[in-house]
Amino acid sequence: DTAVSQTPKYLVTQMGNDKSIKCEQNLGHDTMYWYKQDSKKFLKIMFSYNNKELIINETVPNRFSPKSPDKAHLNLHINSLELGDSAVYFCASSPRGPPDTQYFGPGTRLTVL
Amino acid sequence: AQSVTQPDIHITVSEGASLELRCNYSYGATPYLFWYVQSPGQGLQLLLKYFSGDTLVQGIKGFEAEFKRSQSSFNLRKPSVHWSDAAEYFCAVLPHNFNKFYFGSGTKLNVKP
Repeated sequence: DTAVSQTPKYLVTQMGNDKSIKCEQNLGHDTMYWYKQDSKKFLKIMFSYNNKELIINETVPNRFSPKSPDKAHLNLHINSLELGDSAVYFCASSPRGPPDTQYFGPGTRLTVL
Repeated sequence: AQSVTQPDIHITVSEGASLELRCNYSYGATPYLFWYVQSPGQGLQLLLKYFSGDTLVQGIKGFEAEFKRSQSSFNLRKPSVHWSDAAEYFCAVLPHNFNKFYFGSGTKLNVKP
């Protein structure tokens, strides 16, 4: 049973397109996160939600919009994709939020051409 | 500035040899401290964490880490490395009264037969 799943695993698209990445956790956790891992492997928080409420909203472009339809799902929609958006995006969840252990999904490798 | 530093980008050790991966942080008070492992194509998995108390913490897969307040360090160790330990290792900190984690840039471990 996959605890934190992401779809798709790979995403190749053209500049200017709009795309979404989906995340689901079956752990019953209250908190979910989106991280971006750049080409130098730096992992940086983008957003976190607790029970569908936005908790962390880092300084990311407005083109990135998270949506949490329920506490088991946190999707990431990206408008007008740019070359610099190419990265691996990780979803994670934790029982109640920091400092609880985070459980990571396998990542989505986004390539913008 | 607050930061998490992993000074070694790549480390190569022989199978059966001991391993130490370094992590230093610069935060005012002792933060919560974590080590994660990322195998190729996988998400991050928690190896161990330090919140308080005994400064030597044991984790999964035979790893341990020692917190040294005087050096602001939280180094990861393993007495005998196995080929399956080849992966990328990330140190992370969660400052007290903060709600987000800060990750180091990772150390890639190669294991020679």
